[in-house]
Amino acid sequence: QKEVEQNSGPLSVPEGAIASLNCTYSDRGSQSFFWYRQYSGKSPELIMSIYSNGDKEDGRFTAQLNKASQYVSLLIRDSQPSDSATYLCAVNERTGFQKLVFGTGTRLLVSP
Amino acid sequence: GAVVSQHPSRVICKSGTSVKIECRSLDFQATTMFWYRQFPKQSLMLMATSNEGSKATYEQGVEKDKFLINHASLTLSTLTVTSAHPEDSSFYICSASGGGYNEQFFGPGTRLTVL
Repeated sequence: QKEVEQNSGPLSVPEGAIASLNCTYSDRGSQSFFWYRQYSGKSPELIMSIYSNGDKEDGRFTAQLNKASQYVSLLIRDSQPSDSATYLCAVNERTGFQKLVFGTGTRLLVSP
Repeated sequence: GAVVSQHPSRVICKSGTSVKIECRSLDFQATTMFWYRQFPKQSLMLMATSNEGSKATYEQGVEKDKFLINHASLTLSTLTVTSAHPEDSSFYICSASGGGYNEQFFGPGTRLTVL
């Protein structure tokens, strides 16, 4: 069974610090990886997608992918209280329909 | 770009009634739409995958006769919860992909409360 594992947290960081969120996945053949942010009571919002090994940066966010280790991470620089949310890691399931397998999410708390 | 809308955002109904939820991709043609359900403090649960013009593919344990999905066009999919009961109360969220996008973009969700 394909799985995506995340630490449920909460991960607490002070404002201005770097938050590091981690995710491992079981399907070695997965090709597409995504990070979504979900505020309480809201639907998920896409933050980053990454398809190749290495780093991908977008503003304060950096996604890192290591396919050999089956590991994907999200770094949030200069964390803000507004970043406090649950971060969902998602990995594509190779069905041809672009189904995603989601982790259970890591709750991030950024304190002022 | 990549905006997905849902309607209604919130619905309260009596037990035994049917409720229809619409999901629209506003600025791209969604070849595939997904329907999820999320109970409080739990993970997203995929209910079904629908491709335009085809029958939906339901996940194991999801009753296809209770949760009717129609994907009649590249911009619209509907989920009908038939004969809703209190245990169907949940947050229903659609997502869409296609039209050159590999990512799934989520709608804002519909909160269903069945009395």
